[in-house]
Amino acid sequence: TQLLEQSPQFLSIQEGENLTVYCNSSSVFSSLQWYRQEPGEGPVLLVTVVTGGEVKKLKRLTFQFGDARKDSSLHITAAQPGDTGLYLCAGDPSGGYALNFGKGTSLLVTP
Amino acid sequence: GAVVSQHPSRVICKSGTSVKIECRSLDFQATTMFWYRQFPKQSLMLMATSNEGSKATYEQGVEKDKFLINHASLTLSTLTVTSAHPEDSSFYICSASPTGGPYEQYFGPGTRLTVT
Repeated sequence: TQLLEQSPQFLSIQEGENLTVYCNSSSVFSSLQWYRQEPGEGPVLLVTVVTGGEVKKLKRLTFQFGDARKDSSLHITAAQPGDTGLYLCAGDPSGGYALNFGKGTSLLVTP
Repeated sequence: GAVVSQHPSRVICKSGTSVKIECRSLDFQATTMFWYRQFPKQSLMLMATSNEGSKATYEQGVEKDKFLINHASLTLSTLTVTSAHPEDSSFYICSASPTGGPYEQYFGPGTRLTVT
């Protein structure tokens, strides 16, 4: 059973477009992390959201944690080719160290 | 900060041999480290949780006698793939959580293992 469901699984857009990626669960999480992974490399932590309803911005990336702490979204404004990669959300419903990962959203931004 | 290294980055070995992969936290101490396996175009699959000074906790379906994990210090964990077979070929990634929290994981760059 996949604790964290990510959608869409694949996304191909042109440079300059906006997009939103979703991470949903039936479980409550004390925190959720978002990572980006490029081919042949390890995931890089982008942000951790902790408080229900929290919104964090990282340049053109906006992360939101649902009020009930069961879901999160990542919105990218004016996507660039450098945003291409696999976006993963992760969390541990028990609030511990071990993370459950979603299956990821593979994003391709073409010039 | 929060840099994790892995060595080697790529390794090719013959069937039946053993391969050791090192994972180091370079600028922080990590009581807990994790080992993941990732197949092409798929997400990360947790193999085991490694705690400094104690035995690793393996996920269901992961053979502990085949994937030996040693967490000898607060900055080093090793994964040894014993008697490797072609089906063990994969991308192995480690991560580390800073001692005392927060519950975030910082990942190494991964090791591409190819068993011929």
